[in-house]
Amino acid sequence: EDQVTQSPEALRLQEGESSSLNCSYTVSGLRGLFWYRQDPGKGPEFLFTLYSAGEEKEKERLKATLTKKESFLHITAPKPEDSATYLCAVRLPFGNEKLTFGTGTRLTIIP
Amino acid sequence: SQTIHQWPATLVQPVGSPLSLECTVEGTSNPNLYWYRQAAGRGLQLLFYSVGIGQISSEVPQNLSASRPQDRQFILSSKKLLLSDSGFYLCAWSEYTDTQYFGPGTRLTVL
Repeated sequence: EDQVTQSPEALRLQEGESSSLNCSYTVSGLRGLFWYRQDPGKGPEFLFTLYSAGEEKEKERLKATLTKKESFLHITAPKPEDSATYLCAVRLPFGNEKLTFGTGTRLTIIP
Repeated sequence: SQTIHQWPATLVQPVGSPLSLECTVEGTSNPNLYWYRQAAGRGLQLLFYSVGIGQISSEVPQNLSASRPQDRQFILSSKKLLLSDSGFYLCAWSEYTDTQYFGPGTRLTVL
């Protein structure tokens, strides 16, 4: 069965302390890996889409990378406003509309 | 730009009562539309998706149904709610790309 696993489940960092979140997947024929940010009580906010191994995308303090079996979301010098749950999702081969989500990493940045 | 609306934002319903959640999208034509449920500690679960008016695909057999009476309107319904229907319901849309964009969500509590 196709699976998406995110680690760690929760991460507490001091402001300015860089780290990485992991998303590993066991799907056949990946057609896109997606990162979202979700604040409490709100809908997920789209961050990045990655399609092929070696691809990287950046937005402010966030950088997403992709290998054949996992993706990393690197956060550099985080600020308290980066605190949120970060969700990873994968999309299966063409014709299947389904996104399979991980359970997320809850990130807390301490001032 | 595109905007997605969901209502109500919160809902408390007794077991056995009916349900109707509505989602509308502005600023796009013929979007793909999706209903997800997010339970505490679990990833987002795709419930239904639609590629056009009257076209509904169900991912998980359950107590719920979906309809798409207009191009940019998606409705989630139930005739009789169960306790297990409680959760955070999210509507999403996608257009030419794979990226799905989420609405603000509806928090449903069944008592």
